[in-house]
Amino acid sequence: EAGVTQFPSHSVIEKGQTVTLRCDPISGHDNLYWYRRVMGKEIKFLLHFVKESKQDESGMPNNRFLAERTGGTYSTLKVQPAELEDSGVYFCASSQVSGEGGEQYFGPGTRLTVT
Amino acid sequence: QQQVKQSPQSLIVQKGGISIINCAYENTAFDYFPWYQQFPGKGPALLIAIRPDVSEKKEGRFTISFNKSAKQFSLHIMDSQPGDSATYFCAVLYPGGTSYGKLTFGQGTILTVHP
Repeated sequence: EAGVTQFPSHSVIEKGQTVTLRCDPISGHDNLYWYRRVMGKEIKFLLHFVKESKQDESGMPNNRFLAERTGGTYSTLKVQPAELEDSGVYFCASSQVSGEGGEQYFGPGTRLTVT
Repeated sequence: QQQVKQSPQSLIVQKGGISIINCAYENTAFDYFPWYQQFPGKGPALLIAIRPDVSEKKEGRFTISFNKSAKQFSLHIMDSQPGDSATYFCAVLYPGGTSYGKLTFGQGTILTVHP
């Protein structure tokens, strides 16, 4: 079974540019999560999709971030315009069910560097 | 406000030794406490988890000890091996509501096991 995949693995962009990160969850997983880890700090929750609906987007930093999950399959996270503080590793995770019974499987992450 | 505090930030042990990583949380509503293991270039992967109705859970060389009154839990790795060298994250899971499924992580501990 294929795991969670993320693209690209690395992205280096200049401040003010736009970047779109993609996540393909494990097939059949209705729950999809985005997290971010800024260097040396904790992994922070960004948002949670159930199918194509946003269940919880309380962790989204500001309106420069836009997440979509059209059709309830893959998801994209767009940052526009990017700022220096957006640098970090963005992880996507998916689970079959939410909560304790739903183990979250993480992708390898996208390392975003904003210069 | 950091809801989960993890220590130490880094840990070096000799092969065969015991590795101990500690976490403290604030919100008594949390009811699921997983530990994640992350190798370089990979995403975090669930290692072991505990619910607050038990004080200890053991899986192979990995043990979680849980102290509900102190709001602390720890990971013990017995007979540590070089292959255990990784970053370890403790986490807590929100118990319900729209945030059900949201993981809150500690800052991570870089474990190095010397041969």
